Amino acid sequence: DVKVTQSSRYLVKRTGEKVFLECVQDMDHENMFWYRQDPGLGLRLIYFSYDVKMKEKGDIPEGYSVSREKKERFSLILESASTNQTSMYLCASSLEALGGSTDTQYFGPGTRLTVL
Amino acid sequence: QKEVEQDPGPLSVPEGAIVSLNCTYSNSAFQYFMWYRQYSRKGPELLMYTYSSGNKEDGRFTAQVDKSSKYISLFIRDSQPSDSATYLCAIAGGTSYGKLTFGQGTILTVHP
Repeated sequence: DVKVTQSSRYLVKRTGEKVFLECVQDMDHENMFWYRQDPGLGLRLIYFSYDVKMKEKGDIPEGYSVSREKKERFSLILESASTNQTSMYLCASSLEALGGSTDTQYFGPGTRLTVL
Repeated sequence: QKEVEQDPGPLSVPEGAIVSLNCTYSNSAFQYFMWYRQYSRKGPELLMYTYSSGNKEDGRFTAQVDKSSKYISLFIRDSQPSDSATYLCAIAGGTSYGKLTFGQGTILTVHP
């Protein structure tokens, strides 16, 4: 089974702090994704990566950056946390982008971030 | 118009009821369809996937795709309180890099 782990389940930070969220997958997947999930807004894609050191902006990249130095690890960075970044953050991975079953994404348990 | 529309509910049904969850989509390039289940405060987990029009059954769950109408459904038979969760449809094939397009999710409560 695919396992996607996230470094923290719950995190509380202060406004202006730099925040790192870590995600690790153990199935040699090519693609990794970061989403945030808010009530009434569904899942929104922040950034994704299709290869080591490669990244692409998603729908809401402002205020975030990412890093993928190793294939199994994808980090989300909040450069200067703000209260409107309080949310549930979900990491996902998929095998490769061939337009079929390999696009299936497997999610981590999520990190609930609160910015005070 | 959103690429994928899903009624957020909430939907409340008695135990044993048949539940029907639905999504419509606009891009005919979409080819591959998934349903995820998300329990409260957890990440989504893959429930079913299908890539063709017709039905796919797995236990009490049936996924149905009608490409001509751009309509997908998930049916739950003999619903149980443990089925209470948010159900998200997700569609692939219309974008690059394996991005999925998600519906907003339907909140389902099955009460005893």
